[in-house]
Amino acid sequence: EPEVTQTPSHQVTQMGQEVILRCVPISNHLYFYWYRQILGQKVEFLVSFYNNEISEKSEIFDDQFSVERPDGSNFTLKIRSTKLEDSAMYFCASSLRTSGSSYNEQFFGPGTRLTVL
Amino acid sequence: GESVGLHLPTLSVQEGDNSIINCAYSNSASDYFIWYKQESGKGPQFIIDIRSNMDKRQGQRVTVLLNKTVKHLSLQIAATQPGDSAVYFCAETYSGGYQKVTFGIGTKLQVIP
Repeated sequence: EPEVTQTPSHQVTQMGQEVILRCVPISNHLYFYWYRQILGQKVEFLVSFYNNEISEKSEIFDDQFSVERPDGSNFTLKIRSTKLEDSAMYFCASSLRTSGSSYNEQFFGPGTRLTVL
Repeated sequence: GESVGLHLPTLSVQEGDNSIINCAYSNSASDYFIWYKQESGKGPQFIIDIRSNMDKRQGQRVTVLLNKTVKHLSLQIAATQPGDSAVYFCAETYSGGYQKVTFGIGTKLQVIP
């Protein structure tokens, strides 16, 4: 069964450093998402991406964050200058499509645990 | 702001019993409500969803009930098994647009063998 994959599974970085989290969405999916989950808290939406553009972003997704689909398979989240409070699990998700009257299931990857020291 | 939240942070049930996990929501504009299961070290896994114009939907061993009058959502798991132990999140989304999912605070289900 196709699945979303993410690398690395755990990333440790120093405060102020740049990190890139990588995701490979399901191959025929068109909509891509990043979410994060601070330890013990709920999963929070960061950004959605479609047709090589950000379609929606949350207040969390400030100028320090960026997303990119550099090729036909990868979807990346970059944090330019990490802060201690960026420590969290970051989940990538993808969905096949959206339509006007139905909801299409988002498939989540296993996550990347980011630890900022 | 509007949000989705849960009543109980932890629920312990005996194996074989039925489990009921509850959720309160406040965004009346949501079209869909979803239950996710998250096992340790994994991402959220879709269990079942229900459209806002329905009040009940059944899956395999799971039933979701939606009461729009009191803005309440519940997940019923029949004959709970040890493999059901996980954190369960209710969430909401909407049709059309880019369908960001707004998660509630999870409930940890512990199944006692």
